[in-house]
Amino acid sequence: AQSVTQLGSHVSVSEGALVLLRCNYSSSVPPYLFWYVQYPNQGLQLLLKYTSAATLVKGINGFEAEFKKSETSFHLTKPSAHMSDAAEYFCAVSDRADKLIFGTGTRLQVFP
Amino acid sequence: NAGVTQTPKFRILKIGQSMTLQCTQDMNHNYMYWYRQDPGMGLKLIYYSVGAGITDKGEVPNGYNVSRSTTEDFPLRLELAAPSQTSVYFCASSARAGAETQYFGPGTRLLVL
Repeated sequence: AQSVTQLGSHVSVSEGALVLLRCNYSSSVPPYLFWYVQYPNQGLQLLLKYTSAATLVKGINGFEAEFKKSETSFHLTKPSAHMSDAAEYFCAVSDRADKLIFGTGTRLQVFP
Repeated sequence: NAGVTQTPKFRILKIGQSMTLQCTQDMNHNYMYWYRQDPGMGLKLIYYSVGAGITDKGEVPNGYNVSRSTTEDFPLRLELAAPSQTSVYFCASSARAGAETQYFGPGTRLLVL
């Protein structure tokens, strides 16, 4: 069965600092991997996804993630945090059938 | 193009009452999903549908029912509300499974007292 683990339920950074949100997956087949963002009182929206093309994936708002098969990781990064990045971030893996499996989420706080 | 819409936005139910959460999408997507989100738990799949007339259980289907009579609509029914069903419910849709992006509605916040 596929699963996703997000290390750290809360991450705090200063504005302008590097953002690193960690995601490790478990899958018996080559996975599709996703990062979704949820702003307060809103639904989820896609940041980026890995679909077995380039291992470094660029998304919206300056975020990117690198697929590392040897480490079974898909960490999300952004070089310089902005106040507007404060949100909850979810990593997810597709089981290639019909369903997404979500991690438990990481809440990002950005301090001025 | 409204995407995925959900009604109501917020509802308070008494234990044992029933209600239907509405979900509509205007993207002509075949796949639709219902999730519940609880603090610290991420999103759990309740039911999903791969097309009109076809539904299947997800990870946490107990206490819920769904139907899919049209491509656009995918209502979620709670028959006998329980406090454990207090949650935020999200509907989503996608064109296909696998690598396809899921598009989420704004959510329905449900409180069962």
